[in-house]
Amino acid sequence: EDQVTQSPEALRLQEGESSSLNCSYTVSGLRGLFWYRQDPGKGPEFLFTLYSAGEEKEKERLKATLTKKESFLHITAPKPEDSATYLCAVLAYYGNNRLAFGKGNQVVVIP
Amino acid sequence: EAGVTQFPSHSVIEKGQTVTLRCDPISGHDNLYWYRRVMGKEIKFLLHFVKESKQDESGMPNNRFLAERTGGTYSTLKVQPAELEDSGVYFCASSPPGGQPQHFGDGTRLSIL
Repeated sequence: EDQVTQSPEALRLQEGESSSLNCSYTVSGLRGLFWYRQDPGKGPEFLFTLYSAGEEKEKERLKATLTKKESFLHITAPKPEDSATYLCAVLAYYGNNRLAFGKGNQVVVIP
Repeated sequence: EAGVTQFPSHSVIEKGQTVTLRCDPISGHDNLYWYRRVMGKEIKFLLHFVKESKQDESGMPNNRFLAERTGGTYSTLKVQPAELEDSGVYFCASSPPGGQPQHFGDGTRLSIL
């Protein structure tokens, strides 16, 4: 069974204090790894897809990287509006199109 | 472009009653998915439609849950009869014919009393 573990569970950052979120995964044949952002009371909002080790994607202050065992979401000089729960999900070759999610990283950025 | 729409946003019912959740996917998205998040746990897959056909229903917890997608447009998820452990947030997602990425609605928060 696919397993996704995210750490840390919760993170408080000062505005401008860069940090990284970790997503470790176990899957038999990775077809894709996805990062989503979720705000309270809302659904997951798609951020990035990574397909192979060494791949990187960037969007504003966020940068996602992928190795064969884990992915990192780097938040550079965060702002209060970056406060959210960040979800990691994997898609396996054998699993049709179902995503397997981690529990998320809850990030609070303090002004 | 309108996103994935779910209705109702909240539902509170008593154990033993029936509830029907609705999902309208993004226009042109053949793939439609249902997921659920129970308190303290991760979001978990329930089932996947391609157009009107059930492609994968391996995540459906039991036969009290019935999902339909008549005509390949909107989908409904019926829980009958509801049990206490069915409480949670039910998310719907859709994706284009190529498969990914999946775009999610804001969910239906279901509480069983």
